[in-house]
Parts: sequence; structure tokens; C-alpha cells
Amino acid sequence: GAVVSQHPSWVICKSGTSVKIECRSLDFQATTMFWYRQFPKQSLMLMATSNEGSKATYEQGVEKDKFLINHASLTLSTLTVTSAHPEDSSFYICSAWTGGSNQPQHFGDGTRLSIL
Amino acid sequence: AQSVTQPDIHITVSEGASLELRCNYSYGATPYLFWYVQSPGQGLQLLLKYFSGDTLVQGIKGFEAEFKRSQSSFNLRKPSVHWSDAAEYFCVRTSGTYKYIFGTGTRLKVLA
Repeated sequence: GAVVSQHPSWVICKSGTSVKIECRSLDFQATTMFWYRQFPKQSLMLMATSNEGSKATYEQGVEKDKFLINHASLTLSTLTVTSAHPEDSSFYICSAWTGGSNQPQHFGDGTRLSIL
Repeated sequence: AQSVTQPDIHITVSEGASLELRCNYSYGATPYLFWYVQSPGQGLQLLLKYFSGDTLVQGIKGFEAEFKRSQSSFNLRKPSVHWSDAAEYFCVRTSGTYKYIFGTGTRLKVLA
């Protein structure tokens, strides 16, 4: 149980294009989904928190106009990197949480984004 | 500020040897603690969690962890390491909020 599917797993695109990453909880409903960014050989950095039906909350220093988050349902959140540039290249990971105080976050397999 | 420290950036053990990965958390309210494992190019998989109760927690893949309040530690252990255990291990805490506080990670290398 508690499977989170993230798609695509790998994407390469040209500078200036927009890229959408999907995060789905397959067998449970996620009150909250989180988006993280991970640089090589580093820990995860929280970018934003999204709750179904409301605006995402972004961490300090994260451009909300650059990283658009939509949480349309209790099983789907999307991250769109708009007008992507090479410095946006990274590994992006989502997680889903049911909202219980004693429940862990469940992570997707990540998306490797490469901007040429 | 609340934090998590993983003192060992890299650890190398021989296959079949025992393993202990260290984790210390900063003082604060009773923490919720987790250990996750990340294989290269993958997401994070939950190994085990501690919320309250028995301080020795059993997890998946033969891992266990012991919560020691007096030492502010939550070390991960495995009696016999397999080559497939080579990965990055993250100790994580929360303290009543939903946000995770990650340790810096420990990269485990297993020698054949």
C-alpha cells in the first residue's frame, strides 16, 4: 500500500519550454502533497506544500511564478516548471501525506529534469 | 532550531557485516522519527518510524532502530548487510508539524 506514482521519470527539454510533472497517490487519498528538489549528493529541499483545492504554500526563496503547483484532487498534484532554464535542471521528488499526525510521507520515484 | 544530524557522510562495510548508522536530533518536543532509504535515481522508501511506545522499532528489509531520549539518538541497525543495501539513508524528524526535517544523509557502500 501507500504507492505514489511520479511521471515522467526523466525529461530533457530545450531552454524556454515549460515542463509538467505529475504526482499521483495510487491507493490512498492525500490531503497534502509536497514537492522537493534534490541537488546531487545532497539532501532534499522542500519547495512547496500543496493541499487539495487551495493554493500552494511556497518555501522562502522559491519562485511561485516559476514553479506552478496545482492540487486538483486528493490523488493528483502537478508541478509545472515554466520557461525552464539550465539552472532549473535537478531531481524533483514529490511526496503524499494523508494528514494524520502519526502518518509518514510517501515518496514518488522522482523526476530527473535536464534543460539544454 | 530543530535539526537532525547524521555524523557519517560515508560508511563502507563488508557484505555480511553488521551496520549502524547514527542519527541525533536536537532537543524539542517528543519527535516523530523516521528512517528512509534512497537508491540512486530513485525516490525515498520508508524503512521504519517511531512515534511513541516501544523504543526499539522494527522495519522492513531487516532494519531496526532504537530511540534513546537520553542521548537524543535514533540509530539504525542491521545485523548482516547485503550488497543491495548500498544506498543513501536519511534520518528524518517532525515535531507536530507536517514538515520534515532531514538529516544530511549517509551514503552506504557495501564491499563484496
